[in-house]
Amino acid sequence: GENVEQHPSTLSVQEGDSAVIKCTYSDSASNYFPWYKQELGKRPQLIIDIRSNVGEKKDQRIAVTLNKTAKHFSLHITETQPEDSAVYFCAANLKGEWTSYDKVIFGPGTSLSVIP
Amino acid sequence: EAQVTQNPRYLITVTGKKLTVTCSQNMNHEYMSWYRQDPGLGLRQIYYSMNVEVTDKGDVPEGYKVSRKEKRNFPLILESPSPNQTSLYFCASSRRQGENTEAFFGQGTRLTVV
Repeated sequence: GENVEQHPSTLSVQEGDSAVIKCTYSDSASNYFPWYKQELGKRPQLIIDIRSNVGEKKDQRIAVTLNKTAKHFSLHITETQPEDSAVYFCAANLKGEWTSYDKVIFGPGTSLSVIP
Repeated sequence: EAQVTQNPRYLITVTGKKLTVTCSQNMNHEYMSWYRQDPGLGLRQIYYSMNVEVTDKGDVPEGYKVSRKEKRNFPLILESPSPNQTSLYFCASSRRQGENTEAFFGQGTRLTVV
């Protein structure tokens, strides 16, 4: 079935370094790619999203890039800080074949640790 | 304050004893869904609802039921819980899934079935 793959599953970086998380998706009709951050013991929250009509989007220290041809997208965090430590989930929408409603499929998550 | 509220936050129950996890949102969202989160598997969708009285199976619906009698509420029902349903559960809502908008998650319910 349609799925979203995410790598790496765990990532440790030194404070101040950059972190990159990569995802691939299988549904060529997908056109919405959100990223969620889940801090320990808390709920997932949207941090950034990108739609297929753009190739890159930035919000302060975080950026997302999208390559629709290759069906992959990436999250980039620059100048990492300890508070960036969390689990990050990428996701992609599955276009509904019979309805106007999409499903959102999540990747398995990346546990990011930023070492002070 | 806009929010999604789940109850209870923690629940320990025995195999076969029916339970309900409630979910309520105050944002007048059409779309609501339930996920379970297990280590290494991410967030897997159990059921979703596109509007009142409209529900459909997600990726892992076995052993679960849902209902959507009112727009704001979307309870998850486990008729006969089993230990493999021990997990962290999240309810989520979004304005209208077809418009690809942000999903707002509840606080989570950690369920243990012994």
